[in-house]
Amino acid sequence: ILNVEQSPQSLHVQEGDSTNFTCSFPSSNFYALHWYRWETAKSPEALFVMTLNGDEKKKGRISATLNTKEGYSYLYIKGSQPEDSATYLCASVAPGTYKYIFGTGTRLKVLA
Amino acid sequence: DSGVTQTPKHLITATGQRVTLRCSPRSGDLSVYWYQQSLDQGLQFLIQYYNGEERAKGNILERFSAQQFPDLHSELNLSSLELGDSALYFCASSFTGVGTGELFFGEGSRLTVL
Repeated sequence: ILNVEQSPQSLHVQEGDSTNFTCSFPSSNFYALHWYRWETAKSPEALFVMTLNGDEKKKGRISATLNTKEGYSYLYIKGSQPEDSATYLCASVAPGTYKYIFGTGTRLKVLA
Repeated sequence: DSGVTQTPKHLITATGQRVTLRCSPRSGDLSVYWYQQSLDQGLQFLIQYYNGEERAKGNILERFSAQQFPDLHSELNLSSLELGDSALYFCASSFTGVGTGELFFGEGSRLTVL
């Protein structure tokens, strides 16, 4: 069973703060790692897909890194804005399967 | 707009009933995934289809079934409904379906079983 864990479960930050969250997955059973952003009353939207150890992806103020040897990925948000408030989900895919297994997400609230 | 269409958006029904949720994938996408999100739970993978064939199965109950039709739309059938089946059901589509393609999610179908 592929167990994907995310921490923290939720956090509040002040506008302008930088923050980061963690996604952990079984390093022995890895094929791809996805990050999604899920705003309230909307549907999840893809942020990044990473497959290689050491991968780093960036989109505006949001970036992600991947460590497949130790089984974790970090998502960073620089200079948080109220519009960054959302739940951030990660999903891991194991080799030979086609299942995107999601963590329970990190709920971010950016206070103005 | 992700391009994935789910109907109905909301559905209220009684225990023991049967419902069908429909999903039209994004144009060109061959793979459809179904997820269930219950209260305080994450997205639970139910089943995946690729070009009409079942490709992967998650913890989908025997009371639930799905299929993908030749035009690539998919239906999720939920029968003998129980209170615990109340949830938000998401459909997502992907072009490749092999795990490296991003998923495009529909807006979900919220099922309430009374």
